[in-house]
Amino acid sequence: GENVEQHPSTLSVQEGDSAVIKCTYSDSASNYFPWYKQELGKRPQLIIDIRSNVGEKKDQRIAVTLNKTAKHFSLHITETQPEDSAVYFCAAKQNTGNQFYFGTGTSLTVIP
Amino acid sequence: NAGVTQTPKFRVLKTGQSMTLLCAQDMNHEYMYWYRQDPGMGLRLIHYSVGEGTTAKGEVPDGYNVSRLKKQNFLLGLESAAPSQTSVYFCASSYNLALGELFFGEGSRLTVL
Repeated sequence: GENVEQHPSTLSVQEGDSAVIKCTYSDSASNYFPWYKQELGKRPQLIIDIRSNVGEKKDQRIAVTLNKTAKHFSLHITETQPEDSAVYFCAAKQNTGNQFYFGTGTSLTVIP
Repeated sequence: NAGVTQTPKFRVLKTGQSMTLLCAQDMNHEYMYWYRQDPGMGLRLIHYSVGEGTTAKGEVPDGYNVSRLKKQNFLLGLESAAPSQTSVYFCASSYNLALGELFFGEGSRLTVL
């Protein structure tokens, strides 16, 4: 099955700085890569996703990049704000597969 | 429109007791999933269902059973709870596999003593 590794496990940045979280995957058949944000005590929620036919996708201050050759994808948050503090999970899935494979999560703290 | 609702939200069990977690969704989603979340281990899939009357095993199915008798409900059962099953359990649903977005419930915190 698929193996998704996520780094770093914890990340602290000053407000206004950028944050980058990286994930690697093992199954070359995976072609859908979502990112979920989980605030303390809340449910995970989708914040951005990317499919294998796209190299980069942006939504305001967040962006995701995908390198299919190297089997890695990254989440970029610019101009970080305290409300960005949360645990972020990456995931991978085959388009026709039933299962999402999640990374182990990154706890991001934005220091005011 | 409540989305995905889990009950109960908190439960304390003694080793060997049984219990059932209920997940209900009102979005007419075909796909439903049960995950457990443990510190440092992310979200691990226990069981899932691709439609009413179907279930399948995920990454960590041992010690759990599930049923999907109605499209809107997905039940997770623990027949004989063990301390290793202390965790936060999340139910999720998805409209279809191609679109992919998972909608999660609020989570159920289970402690087994």
